[in-house]
Amino acid sequence: GAGVSQTPSNKVTEKGKYVELRCDPISGHTALYWYRQSLGQGPEFLIYFQGTGAADDSGLPNDRFFAVRPEGSVSTLKIQRTERGDSAVYLCASSLTRSGDGYTFGSGTRLTVV
Amino acid sequence: AQKVTQAQTEISVVEKEDVTLDCVYETRDTTYYLFWYKQPPSGELVFLIRRNSFDEQNEISGRYSWNFQKSTSSFNFTITASQVVDSAVYFCALSENRDDKIIFGKGTRLHILP
Repeated sequence: GAGVSQTPSNKVTEKGKYVELRCDPISGHTALYWYRQSLGQGPEFLIYFQGTGAADDSGLPNDRFFAVRPEGSVSTLKIQRTERGDSAVYLCASSLTRSGDGYTFGSGTRLTVV
Repeated sequence: AQKVTQAQTEISVVEKEDVTLDCVYETRDTTYYLFWYKQPPSGELVFLIRRNSFDEQNEISGRYSWNFQKSTSSFNFTITASQVVDSAVYFCALSENRDDKIIFGKGTRLHILP
């Protein structure tokens, strides 16, 4: 597609539930990144994929967070047993090669845990 | 460890005034990239500029200019003759060459008053 697409744009879930957030990168972009942005803060790195593999998952806050990219294109961020502190905007970005080229960000998924 | 500091949390200026957004970074790498992104009220992060550590030339793009000074580890952003449409949150960011994630500052919220 023309840009990075994220779905849903908004998600409200109850504490303790499981959620999946989807990211469709720009066609041909091999690198894909997930970030989380809390209110009034800058985006915080979560995980980076190069192709199908997670090249760097050092930003995932705990084992409730997991992400996959099985075919090297679409990625899904999965959050188990959601907590109110998980409420944030989850941003996905893709780039053609490494981060030196700069990312293209999607519009994000606003997750609210009630 | 890499770090980006944007000391100005919020700035308000009257339209047509010039305004400079400060950015100070920390890195142990000799090769790195610096970025500025704009986040308008719509929420999407918009890429503005990328500089690599070997290119200290200042850059001008229309009303925007960037001053990169390795001696002070700063990468400041100036908007000349500001316009209301420039109102947004601006993020400075850093990526080390050996790494593929971009580390963002906390952002500066810029208000351009008519």
